This record gives sequence, C-alpha cells and structure tokens, in this order.
Amino acid sequence: NAGVTQTPKFQVLKTGQSMTLQCAQDMNHNSMYWYRQDPGMGLRLIYYSASEGTTDKGEVPNGYNVSRLNKREFSLRLESAAPSQTSVYFCASSAPGWTEAFFGQGTRLTVV
Amino acid sequence: RKEVEQDPGPFNVPEGATVAFNCTYSNSASQSFFWYRQDCRKEPKLLMSVYSSGNEDGRFTAQLNRASQYISLLIRDSKLSDSATYLCVVTYNFGNEKLTFGTGTRLTIIP
Repeated sequence: NAGVTQTPKFQVLKTGQSMTLQCAQDMNHNSMYWYRQDPGMGLRLIYYSASEGTTDKGEVPNGYNVSRLNKREFSLRLESAAPSQTSVYFCASSAPGWTEAFFGQGTRLTVV
Repeated sequence: RKEVEQDPGPFNVPEGATVAFNCTYSNSASQSFFWYRQDCRKEPKLLMSVYSSGNEDGRFTAQLNRASQYISLLIRDSKLSDSATYLCVVTYNFGNEKLTFGTGTRLTIIP
C-alpha cells in the first residue's frame, strides 16, 4: 500500500537554484496539499488543490508554485531557492468530506 | 491571532498518569476537528476524529466545545509509547476543504 509518495526525501540546494518536489497518491483522493513544517511553527499550508485542475494559495505561498498534473500528482516548485525555504515539506491527500488526511514521509530541504 | 492555537508544552508526565491538552480555534464556522499524532521526524498520522458528542478510543478521549471554540484530548494511563507531538486540526468545508493545523503540543512520558 503506497498511499502518498514524496520524492526526494532529502535535498540540499544552493541559494538561487530551482527544484520540484514530487507527490503522488494512489487512493483516488480529490484533495491534495503541500505543507511546510518549521520548529515552533507547526504545519503551515503552502498550496492546496481541491480537485484536478484547481489550486489555491494557503498561508505561505510566496516563493512557490504548484501544478496539479492529474488526480494522482501534485508537484511543488521552488523557482529560486532561498535559505528561508529550509524546512521539512509534507504532501498530503484526503477524500471529500470530513475524512482522514494521509501524509507522505516528508522532504527535508536545506538551502545554503 | 492564529486560527488554531495549542500550548506547545513540553508536557513531561510520569508513566501511568493522566494528561489533557486543549486546542482553541478562531473560526466559528469550523466544521471538522481531528487530533493527529506526529513522532519525531515522521509524518503526522490521524489519532482520532472529534465528534460533537465527544468520543473515546481506548485510553484516549476527545471532546468538542463549540460554544467556547475548543477541543480537548485526554490520555489516561499514559504509556512511554505515547511520547509524541499531538496536533490539533480544524477544517472548513465550503466546497474547497482546507486542513488547518495547530503548532502541536509535545508530550514526553517519563518512566
């Protein structure tokens, strides 16, 4: 049972470099999310997608772009990485209604 | 004011004790409430949903107080394995669901 798969698990970038974090779910969920988690800040929503073809900004969208490629995949792109984007990134998905959200294992990103 | 607020702790509790956390939310239109558990350097996982009438799952009891806009989690007979961070989650469902997390409460059970 794969659930939510995130890649890569670890990444070190230099300031100004770009990268895309990949996320895929095999549970046929409509909603997908990208969060970042920093010490003392909890999980903060970057972007979310309620369905294929739609995306909405969350609490901290600046410096990020997303793409809901299809129902399974939701990618997060950093166009020009900054040290402030050093964080742990989690992708999640959920079905419509008040149901459980499932998380990927996280991506630990360091920007130097 | 943050939408969902929790006491970050840490709560250091002896094994076998009872511990309770509260979480307050600011949006009275909030519709769904959950407690998630997160172990160190791992992803969050659902612990339990919180229903209006309150609900219990073994040693864990969750309560919702809509009038005062808070939810609570009670852990009885705490075990060493309960050591984790507990995250309060609130959702707003207006066609587009959005999960909003509290900052989490860190619990350490002491032998």
